[in-house]
Amino acid sequence: QVQLVQSGAEVKKPGSSVKVSCKASGGTFSSYIVNWVRQAPGEGLEWMGRIIPILGITNYAQKFQGRVTITADKSTSTAYMELSSLRSEDTAVYYCARGVDYYDSKNGMDVWGQGTTVTVSS
Amino acid sequence: SYELTQPPSVSVSPGQTASITCSGDKLGDKYACWYQQKPGQSPVLVIYQDSKRPSGIPERFSGSNSGNTATLTISGTQAMDEGEYYCQAWDSNTEVFGGGTKLTVL
Repeated sequence: QVQLVQSGAEVKKPGSSVKVSCKASGGTFSSYIVNWVRQAPGEGLEWMGRIIPILGITNYAQKFQGRVTITADKSTSTAYMELSSLRSEDTAVYYCARGVDYYDSKNGMDVWGQGTTVTVSS
Repeated sequence: SYELTQPPSVSVSPGQTASITCSGDKLGDKYACWYQQKPGQSPVLVIYQDSKRPSGIPERFSGSNSGNTATLTISGTQAMDEGEYYCQAWDSNTEVFGGGTKLTVL
């Protein structure tokens, strides 16, 4: 059973960038999708974007267009989410989550990483 | 952009049935999924394709989706079902989450 293992907590200054990793443990990305979802303190889930590693295709939420970059290294089954121009409002827990549907989301996100806390503070 | 609306909170007595709604324009024409999240934990998928349960999810969890509303129903609610519940759907190459509903088992 594949698990998604994320990198550790980060503390960043406003205006800087952060790169969070998500490694598939006990399996590979195969034909799966990797989504990135964040959750600010006391708030709900917010989808940021996704990548289909086998195709190299990405989709981004309009809110994050131009500020987020999602990549994947198939050789190590690791996905990355880089968020730039950080501000205090980006303080949140960032999750990666596996999907299987290329053209809709009927099967949802069935495996989630443990989350990575990113704190943006001067 | 597409929006999904959930009630902020729902309360239920142990053993009773809890219903959590999720509203969106023509949501019934899309697939809805539901996630459970407990404090300090990652979300867990409890319903996909409107009404299907992943393996390991108890039978007391069920779902439906028609018109503009998807509904998550928990029959015989237990104390362990307390938590936050989020609906989710796909629209225009975008995943959309509802705002979440806090389920309290009193």
